[in-house]
Amino acid sequence: SQKIEQNSEALNIQEGKTATLTCNYTNYSPAYLQWYRQDPGRGPVFLLLIRENEKEKRKERLKVTFDTTLKQSLFHITASQPADSATYLCALPDHNQGGKLIFGQGTELSVKP
Amino acid sequence: DAGVIQSPRHEVTEMGQEVTLRCKPISGHDYLFWYRQTMMRGLELLIYFNNNVPIDDSGMPEDRFSAKMPNASFSTLKIQPSEPRDSAVYFCASSLRGQGIEGYTFGSGTRLTVV
Repeated sequence: SQKIEQNSEALNIQEGKTATLTCNYTNYSPAYLQWYRQDPGRGPVFLLLIRENEKEKRKERLKVTFDTTLKQSLFHITASQPADSATYLCALPDHNQGGKLIFGQGTELSVKP
Repeated sequence: DAGVIQSPRHEVTEMGQEVTLRCKPISGHDYLFWYRQTMMRGLELLIYFNNNVPIDDSGMPEDRFSAKMPNASFSTLKIQPSEPRDSAVYFCASSLRGQGIEGYTFGSGTRLTVV
């Protein structure tokens, strides 16, 4: 089955800088990939979806890339703010059961003022 | 819409007791998912329903776990008997079209502690 790897170490950056988070997957290439944000004590919140035929997707200060050759997605937050501090999870559809998503462990981002 | 509603928010119970977690999905969503989150294993899918019918329960850890969805607006996850290793945060999520094209909407979760 699919395996997802995200940086387990927290990412600490200065306000105003660009944060870049990585999501790597093994095995088959999914039809799409999603990114979620999770704050402490809350459920994940859907941010963006990128399809396999899209190289890049943008939403306000967020940018996601999808490289099916490298089996990798990069998630960028430009002009980061302390309010962007959270854990970010990537998710892919399971190969055998298209109706369900499997999630990475997430990367914790901390933006310092 | 108030979003996905879960209850209770916190549950502390003694080992061996029965625990029931509740979920109200977003009206109109035809898929409902139960996930469990721990530090060690992250978010794991336990079971999901489509139009109230269980589709895949391969993630349910043991026979002690059961889930029902008697109608489109309500689902329960039951653990009987509970054990300390069941301590985790349990999330319910719903979506329109199970492929997740529009993203899942998660509830705030139930933090379960079994002592």
